[in-house]
Amino acid sequence: EPEVTQTPSHQVTQMGQEVILRCVPISNHLYFYWYRQILGQKVEFLVSFYNNEISEKSEIFDDQFSVERPDGSNFTLKIRSTKLEDSAMYFCASTLGSTGANVLTFGAGSRLTVL
Amino acid sequence: AQSVTQLGSHVSVSEGALVLLRCNYSSSVPPYLFWYVQYPNQGLQLLLKYTSAATLVKGINGFEAEFKKSETSFHLTKPSAHMRDAAEYFCAVSSPQGAQKLVFGQGTRLTINP
Repeated sequence: EPEVTQTPSHQVTQMGQEVILRCVPISNHLYFYWYRQILGQKVEFLVSFYNNEISEKSEIFDDQFSVERPDGSNFTLKIRSTKLEDSAMYFCASTLGSTGANVLTFGAGSRLTVL
Repeated sequence: AQSVTQLGSHVSVSEGALVLLRCNYSSSVPPYLFWYVQYPNQGLQLLLKYTSAATLVKGINGFEAEFKKSETSFHLTKPSAHMRDAAEYFCAVSSPQGAQKLVFGQGTRLTINP
């Protein structure tokens, strides 16, 4: 069964450093998403991406965050200058279409720890 | 605005017993509702979804959920728990206009006692 693959599974970084989290969505999917879960809190929507541009973003997704699809397979989330409160599990997801019949397929997540 | 409340952050049942995980939602538009499961070190896997068709929805692994508009609920049930059902379960809501922008509950950790 096709999978969404995320790397790294766990990254530890110092506050102020840049971090790039990588995702390989399912190959024929066209819509891509990032969600995050701070420990003990709810899974939250960050951003959706289609046709090489952001289609929607939450208020969490401020200027320190960016997303990119640098080639035909990867989808990345960059945090320019990490803060302690960025420590969370980040989930990538993808879908073939945007209607309700299209269900998100999630990756296993990348755990980011900011010290 | 939409929101989800899952009653009980931890639920423990005996193997073979009924599983009931509670989810209540709030939505100003007709909702789409989902249950996801997360096993250790794995991603969020869809168990089942409600998208305005039949109110009783059957999912994988013997789980089902019933959409009750009058109670704004979408509780997850399974008649007989197995050890392999031990996991974290998340209820989520979205709308037809934003079907992939999910609003999640805080999750319920299900423990199965032998």
